[in-house]
Amino acid sequence: GESVGLHLPTLSVQEGDNSIINCAYSNSASDYFIWYKQESGKGPQFIIDIRSNMDKRQGQRVTVLLNKTVKHLSLQIAATQPGDSAVYFCAGASGAGSYQLTFGKGTKLSVIP
Amino acid sequence: GAVVSQHPSRVICKSGTSVKIECRSLDFQATTMFWYRQFPKKSLMLMATSNEGSKATYEQGVEKDKFLINHASLTLSTLTVTSAHPEDSSFYICSARLQGGGETQYFGPGTRLLVL
Repeated sequence: GESVGLHLPTLSVQEGDNSIINCAYSNSASDYFIWYKQESGKGPQFIIDIRSNMDKRQGQRVTVLLNKTVKHLSLQIAATQPGDSAVYFCAGASGAGSYQLTFGKGTKLSVIP
Repeated sequence: GAVVSQHPSRVICKSGTSVKIECRSLDFQATTMFWYRQFPKKSLMLMATSNEGSKATYEQGVEKDKFLINHASLTLSTLTVTSAHPEDSSFYICSARLQGGGETQYFGPGTRLLVL
């Protein structure tokens, strides 16, 4: 089965700096990935997604990069703000009609004012 | 758009009682809803996939008689924890997939269950 994991469990960033959160996956058949943000006591919030036919996608202050060669994706947050403090999960879907997502362990981002 | 609600947000019950959690898609129709369980500082663990009008598909190790799922309409799925025990205490989160949409799941705010 697919596993999706994160390189680092915690990340501390100075306010205003850029943040990079990494994620590795094992199933080469994975064709869709999502980044979610989860604040304490709340449900995950959709941030950005990317399909395997792309290697980069940009949103507002966020960019997701996908490297299929090494099965790695990352979430970049520009000008990190205190409100960005949360746990970030990557999730992947293996396609072939399956709509289930496999979640990584999560990275806790702490923004230092 | 794509708002999912859960009710209740928090519930405390006595051991042996049953608890029902509702998951609603407020502004879209959801063919498929998912139920997850999350332990403190852990990732989301998929419990079951619920399709409207059919039986839920449970993940390995999840007792279907313990966690009853009903998906009676395109906007409502319910999870009933039967004969709850303290080890069932957890954060339960549902998600919904847009009808005709892709793999993106939109999550509810979660329900904190505490069994005494």
